[in-house]
Formats: sequence, C-alpha cells, structure tokens
Amino acid sequence: AQTVTQSQPEMSVQEAETVTLSCTYDTSESDYYLFWYKQPPSRQMILVIRQEAYKQQNATENRFSVNFQKAAKSFSLKISDSQLGDAAMYFCAYRSNNNDMRFGAGTRLTVKP
Amino acid sequence: KAGVTQTPRYLIKTRGQQVTLSCSPISGHRSVSWYQQTPGQGLQFLFEYFSETQRNKGNFPGRFSGRQFSNSRSEMNVSTLELGDSALYLCASSPRLQGFSEAFFGQGTRLTVV
Repeated sequence: AQTVTQSQPEMSVQEAETVTLSCTYDTSESDYYLFWYKQPPSRQMILVIRQEAYKQQNATENRFSVNFQKAAKSFSLKISDSQLGDAAMYFCAYRSNNNDMRFGAGTRLTVKP
Repeated sequence: KAGVTQTPRYLIKTRGQQVTLSCSPISGHRSVSWYQQTPGQGLQFLFEYFSETQRNKGNFPGRFSGRQFSNSRSEMNVSTLELGDSALYLCASSPRLQGFSEAFFGQGTRLTVV
C-alpha cells in the first residue's frame, strides 16, 4: 500500500527566509503523481505545486519548488522568500493512476515577522 | 467561475442519527472526491465519483455512502452516526478522473456528533 510520510509536524521560518518541508513516500508503482497542498486556517485546501514521476525536472511555481528524488522516494518542498501568508498546514500527497490520493499527516508552518 | 461549494458548513448531530452532506463541484468538473479529516487520522479518502459512477472507495464502513447526480453534484451520507465520525469532511472536484489533474477543494463541512 502506498504511504506518505511527513516527518516534521511543525516548522518555523523567518519572513523572507527559505524553508524546506520534507516528504517521503512508499510505492511499487512506476507512474504516479505527487502534490503539495496548503491548508490555511480558512480550511480550504489549495494546490501549491505538482510533479509527474516520469519527469526528472523539478517543478517550480514562483517561490515554491520541489526536490524530487525518485530513487529515494523523496519529494520535498522549498519555499523561498517566505511570506506571512505562507503560514498554513502543508500536505504532501501521492496518487497513481486510477487510485485515490494519499496524504501525509501534514506540517504546520509558522512564519515569524 | 464559482468554486466548490459544500453545504452545510457546520452541523451538529446526535449519535445514532444520519446525516447528508452536499457538494457542488466547479462547473464542468465531472469528478468529485470526498475526504474525512481528523486530528488523529489526518486526511483519509472516502470515495470518488465520475459521471455518476463510484470509481474508487476508501477503507470506510458501509455506513458511509455517496452518490453523484447527472449535474455532477454529489452527496455523501453517514448513517448511524458515531462519536468518531466527528470530523471535517472535504469535497474536491476535478475536470476528469484525477490522476495528474488538480483537485479543487471546498471549504468543508464540520460535523460534530454528540
């Protein structure tokens, strides 16, 4: 069974600094997709970034980028130039074709002014 | 374009009762998924519907059921409520069966069972 592990329950970063959130997953599939979602206090989950496993190039979305290490089954999220609005719960998620999305336990990110 | 709408936002029910939650997806989206979020278990997949057919189902008891209508709106029902069913229930819609598709989430329904 596919599992997603986020080993950092909480992280803190100073405004304008860079922070990296960790995620590892376990799968025997070769074709799958990885996502990072953000859940602010408003509760609405918002997609931050996604990666297709067959693509070796790491995805980037403005200040957000990933470090995808397929062999190590690692998918970390780097947030550069952190802003107060980045404070939220961040969930790493995995999905293979025709299967449900599996989420990690989440990392609560605090941004200090 | 309106986002995913879940109703009601908050609900309090008594143990043993049943409850129906509603989800209206983004216009044109045909896939609707439901998730249960609790502090202890995190986000757990309930089921996914596409074109009125259940395509995937999570590991939940038969008390949890759902359906999707021809306009893609979806409902989930929980019968014989237990205290442990207290959770945030999230609905997500996608234009097609999810795969690489982005899932757009609603704000959820907070269910409290007393």
